[in-house]
Formats: sequence, structure tokens, C-alpha cells
Amino acid sequence: ILNVEQSPQSLHVQEGDSTNFTCSFPSSNFYALHWYRWETAKSPEALFVMTLNGDEKKKGRISATLNTKEGYSYLYIKGSQPEDSATYLCASVRSQGNLIFGKGTKLSVKP
Amino acid sequence: DVKVTQSSRYLVKRTGEKVFLECVQDMDHENMFWYRQDPGLGLRLIYFSYDVKMKEKGDIPEGYSVSREKKERFSLILESASTNQTSMYLCASLARGSSYEQYFGPGTRLTVT
Repeated sequence: ILNVEQSPQSLHVQEGDSTNFTCSFPSSNFYALHWYRWETAKSPEALFVMTLNGDEKKKGRISATLNTKEGYSYLYIKGSQPEDSATYLCASVRSQGNLIFGKGTKLSVKP
Repeated sequence: DVKVTQSSRYLVKRTGEKVFLECVQDMDHENMFWYRQDPGLGLRLIYFSYDVKMKEKGDIPEGYSVSREKKERFSLILESASTNQTSMYLCASLARGSSYEQYFGPGTRLTVT
């Protein structure tokens, strides 16, 4: 089983702060990396699907980078808002096409 | 929009009962998955299916079985529920040949007493 690690486990920030968290994954046999946002009482939703080394993707105030050679991805949130409060999951795609998830980073943004 | 639905949001069952969790997707996706989510452990894959009548064990299949008689429906079965199966269960689907982005249902919180 591949190990996908996320840090920190939880994060508390003030509204307006920028923040980032890390996902590390085995760099051998890499297929793709996903970031999901999981808000309380809702379904996890995909934020980014990243496949190429050096990929940078952006959606509004949220962006992500990918380094497949060293096996890590960063997720950045600029100017955090209370509605950004959620658990952020990263997942590595395995050869069979299914995902292995990290344990997530729980972000709380205080107004 | 892809829609994945699960039969119940909350379910309470007794130890030893047979439990069925149903999942339906409306986008003709070939692949479907069942996960459980527990505090501190993240999402863990129980079973998945590539096609009708096909099933593959995930990382934690013990105590579970699945059924995929129709493409749109994937059922998770707890033959004899136990208290350690109290958890949040999530179903997901994806289209073959896609970027592997999975679409999730809202989850079923199962409590076994």
C-alpha cells in the first residue's frame, strides 16, 4: 500500500491569513495526484487533478503545485475566508486507477 | 452534473444484523467505490468495481461484501454488523478513461449498537 502523508493534521487561522499545507507521496510509479475539499455535511469535491511534474493549478484563491520527482504537493490558500473551513484531502492514483488518500488537513478559519 | 446518491444519511443497526448500504450514480460511470472514514484514519477503500458483476477488494475488505448487478448501483453489505463497523461510509464513482477524478455521495453514518 502506498503511503500518502499530509501535514499539518489541523490548522486554525484568522480570516485574511494565507496558509499552505503539504501532501507527500511515493514518487515511484506516479500516475496522478488529486486534491479534494470536504466540507462538513457535504460530499468531498475535487479541487485539482495534477499529473505533470511542475504542474501549478489555480482556482480562485486556492492553488496547488506538484513535484513528482521528490513526491510532494503543496496547497495554498490566499486570504483565507470562513467558507474555506473544511478538510482538505490529497490522494494518489494507484495503478488500478483507484485512490489512496492521506488523512487530511482540517482547516478552520475564524472571522 | 454527476449525482451520486446513498440510500440513507444516518442508520442505526444492532450487532449481528445484516446491513445493506446502497449507492446509485446517474452518469453511466463504469467504476464505483466504497470507502469508510474514521477519525484519524482518513478515507480507506473497502471494495471497488470496474463493471457490472465485477468486484475487487480494497485495503480493508474484511467483514464486508459488495454487489453490482446493475451499472448504476453498487451495494455494500455487512453480513453480520459489529460495533467496530460504526463509521461514515462514502460511495464514489468515476468514468473510465477520465482523469480519475472521483465523484462522491453524501455519506451514510452507520452506528452499530
